[in-house]
Amino acid sequence: GAVVSQHPSWVICKSGTSVKIECRSLDFQATTMFWYRQFPKQSLMLMATSNEGSKATYEQGVEKDKFLINHASLTLSTLTVTSAHPEDSSFYICSARAGGEQYFGPGTRLTVT
Amino acid sequence: GQQLNQSPQSMFIQEGEDVSMNCTSSSIFNTWLWYKQDPGEGPVLLIALYKAGELTSNGRLTAQFGITRKDSFLNISASIPSDVGIYFCAGREDSNYQLIWGAGTKLIIKP
Repeated sequence: GAVVSQHPSWVICKSGTSVKIECRSLDFQATTMFWYRQFPKQSLMLMATSNEGSKATYEQGVEKDKFLINHASLTLSTLTVTSAHPEDSSFYICSARAGGEQYFGPGTRLTVT
Repeated sequence: GQQLNQSPQSMFIQEGEDVSMNCTSSSIFNTWLWYKQDPGEGPVLLIALYKAGELTSNGRLTAQFGITRKDSFLNISASIPSDVGIYFCAGREDSNYQLIWGAGTKLIIKP
């Protein structure tokens, strides 16, 4: 149980375009999901907390207009990176809360050229 | 943001050796978690600790919640090649569900 999937697993896009990443809880419902980004050889950095049916809560320094989060159902949250720049290239990981703990998706590798 | 102090940063060990890593914090936590992350994958929860002094095992892994609630350790006994990866500790206060992360311990097994 507590399986979280992400799609796509990797994506390459051009500067200025937008990219959408999906996070799904496969065998449970999640009222709360989290979005992280991780740079090479570093720990996870929380970007935002996504709550079903309400606005996401962004961490300090994270631009909410650039990283759009939509948690439209109890099993799906999406992160859209708008007007992507090369510095947005990173590993994006979502997690969903089940039984009080966070279970993580496999991550999405974003490369902006 | 706030981080836990996790050590060592990396470990080079022989297959079959025991491994020990730990995390310390200046804050008191009510939950300690240990995750393992393989390259290109998301973290996988290994052990969750909820009570000061708690000692919990998961196969060859053993973790303890420090009595002071400011530290935790993870031990791996008789390491095998598939143990390689990065191990992260994470702590949580009761006030919210946000996790505070350690910087990770990279485990490398020498051939």
